[in-house]
Amino acid sequence: QPVLTQPPSASASLGASVTLTCTLTSGYSNYKVDWYQQRPGKGPQFVMRVGAGGIVGSKGDGIPDRFSVLGSGLNRYLTIKNIQEEDESDYHCGADHGSGSNFVWVFGGGTKLTVL
Amino acid sequence: EVQLVESGGGLVQPGGSLRLSCAASGFTFSSYWMQWVRQPPGKGLVWVSRINNDGSTTNYADSVKGRFTISRDNAKNTLYLQMNSLRAEDTAVYYCARDRGVVDCWGQGTLVTVSS
Repeated sequence: QPVLTQPPSASASLGASVTLTCTLTSGYSNYKVDWYQQRPGKGPQFVMRVGAGGIVGSKGDGIPDRFSVLGSGLNRYLTIKNIQEEDESDYHCGADHGSGSNFVWVFGGGTKLTVL
Repeated sequence: EVQLVESGGGLVQPGGSLRLSCAASGFTFSSYWMQWVRQPPGKGLVWVSRINNDGSTTNYADSVKGRFTISRDNAKNTLYLQMNSLRAEDTAVYYCARDRGVVDCWGQGTLVTVSS
């Protein structure tokens, strides 16, 4: 099964842009990854799914156009432009693997985004 | 409005049991797979279990297999997680989530603390 790696922290100034990275282990370059935003004390919120070719399907409800994704090789990126205070959150990536009795859903460790 | 509300968490001694519930509203519950995901304090998301729409198919993470049982009552629009033989490492906020191919809706979570 894949392992997803995320840097533990990131920061960006108000109004700037930031790109968060989720890296798949070797051999899983065709996997899609889901991004989730988790504000402090809240449950996660689906942002969007990204594959090697970019976004898959549609964004989650209420996700602004400032959020976009890109896929390249083993990396799945989430870019936030014109960062706002409300974007300060933990961002998790997840991917499902297998089917039937072999199904697992794996997550990265999450990245805490601080807005300066 | 789609809503998932977890309940049943609390403090339990090691070796004890708890049953979590997740009340669903705002959508046709019986049409969707459902998931349980947990988050240990200060850590990332960890998948626990999933169930298909009619309850005939279930999957579990290795860490809970044989101890936890996922089930659902479509007449009551409710998802359950029966947790037995609880361990300190099961301490976490437990979230239920709706799976429509992407997991697009999460509850606010219920805290389970396993401690003597």
